Amino acid sequence: DTAVSQTPKYLVTQMGNDKSIKCEQNLGHDTMYWYKQDSKKFLKIMFSYNNKELIINETVPNRFSPKSPDKAHLNLHINSLELGDSAVYFCASSQGPRGRGRSEKLFFGSGTQLSVL
Amino acid sequence: GDSVTQMEGPVTLSEEAFLTINCTYTATGYPSLFWYVQYPGEGLQLLLKATKADDKGSNKGFEATYRKETTSFHLEKGSVQVSDSAVYFCALNSGYSTLTFGKGTMLLVSP
Repeated sequence: DTAVSQTPKYLVTQMGNDKSIKCEQNLGHDTMYWYKQDSKKFLKIMFSYNNKELIINETVPNRFSPKSPDKAHLNLHINSLELGDSAVYFCASSQGPRGRGRSEKLFFGSGTQLSVL
Repeated sequence: GDSVTQMEGPVTLSEEAFLTINCTYTATGYPSLFWYVQYPGEGLQLLLKATKADDKGSNKGFEATYRKETTSFHLEKGSVQVSDSAVYFCALNSGYSTLTFGKGTMLLVSP
């Protein structure tokens, strides 16, 4: 069983389109995250949700909107896609309350490679 | 704020060579320290961690020791294999926010 699963694995789309990436975790964790990894492998946190409540919202264009229908799911919707949005997007989850436990471990999905043409 | 600095890659080694990937940090309080590994086409997975000064984390032949006096958490392995080729991320969590990652170091091991 995959602990953190995200779909699709690859997403190729035109500039200006709207797309969604879905994420589900079956670990019973309270906290979920979205990270963006650029072509140089640099990881940047975008959002974090704890029990469906947004707790971290880094400086991300408001074209990006996370949605958490329940604590096992955190989807990422992107409006009006731009070339610079091309990256690998990772979903992750952790047990800790509000994602701030010092020793907690993050579990990552396998990533969604988004290519905007 | 919290930050992690790790050596730039790629690090290129022959099989059975000794590996060191340097990592230093700046943090509030007493953070926990982590090494995550990302194999090609996959997400990150925890390799090892240490939660207090002088702790040594170890896994799969990799080791790292939490050095508070030098604010470092260098990753070492005595004899690397081709299958160790991956990107390695040093990270910390000071308890005030989520994980802070370094920029990653790519390791390439040739036969």
